Amino acid sequence: QVQLQESGPGLVKPSQTLSLTCIVSGGSISSDGYYWSWIRQHPGKGLEWIGYIYYSGSTYYNPSLTSRVTISVDTSKNQFSLKLSSVTTADTAVYYCARDVRDYMASTGKNYYYMDVWGKGTTVIVSS
Amino acid sequence: EIVLTQSPGTLSLSPGERAALSCRASQSVSNKYIAWYQQKPGQAPRLVIYGASIGATGIPDRFSGSGSGTDFTLTISRLEPEDFAVYYCQQYHTSLTWTFGQGTKVEIK
Repeated sequence: QVQLQESGPGLVKPSQTLSLTCIVSGGSISSDGYYWSWIRQHPGKGLEWIGYIYYSGSTYYNPSLTSRVTISVDTSKNQFSLKLSSVTTADTAVYYCARDVRDYMASTGKNYYYMDVWGKGTTVIVSS
Repeated sequence: EIVLTQSPGTLSLSPGERAALSCRASQSVSNKYIAWYQQKPGQAPRLVIYGASIGATGIPDRFSGSGSGTDFTLTISRLEPEDFAVYYCQQYHTSLTWTFGQGTKVEIK
């Protein structure tokens, strides 16, 4: 089954760029109907969607982060990446990658959207 | 931007009791784009319900979802010890963005 694994530095200095990669195993990142999302969770808080990418390179970002976020995909390596620039301590969080499904169900004739596979998450601390 | 408001913030119940978690949207949302997730401490979220009422693979049938328009509910018919966790609702908007509710913690009374 598909598994996701985040990787990247656990400590980033303020004003620098946070860079994380999510490796997809057990399935192709280029499969139709799947987008690939980044989500973060501040310590003791709820979930915040950061953005997603399709294997073609199409991206959509959270409007509150769009000026600092870049998500890219490398289909040859079956992975996608997150870059968050000009980080501050407010960017300290657990960062998750997830498979973002656009599922057509023939029995209902409807498309359903949800995130069905998540990485275990990686903690990023922003500190000097 | 659609805001999802979950209530209550914390639900204190005993094993065997029924839990009803609410998720209210600031404007009407399509059922197709409503999902619920369970998160336990130190773990990633786990999909529980999608399409507002469809159980995800491997989810026990004591979990059910309902609702339409702006009001959605996740119901756990009889709480098992492993069900105590934080639950988040999520919606996909026509602006092509995702939003999560702030979460409801189901704790042991």
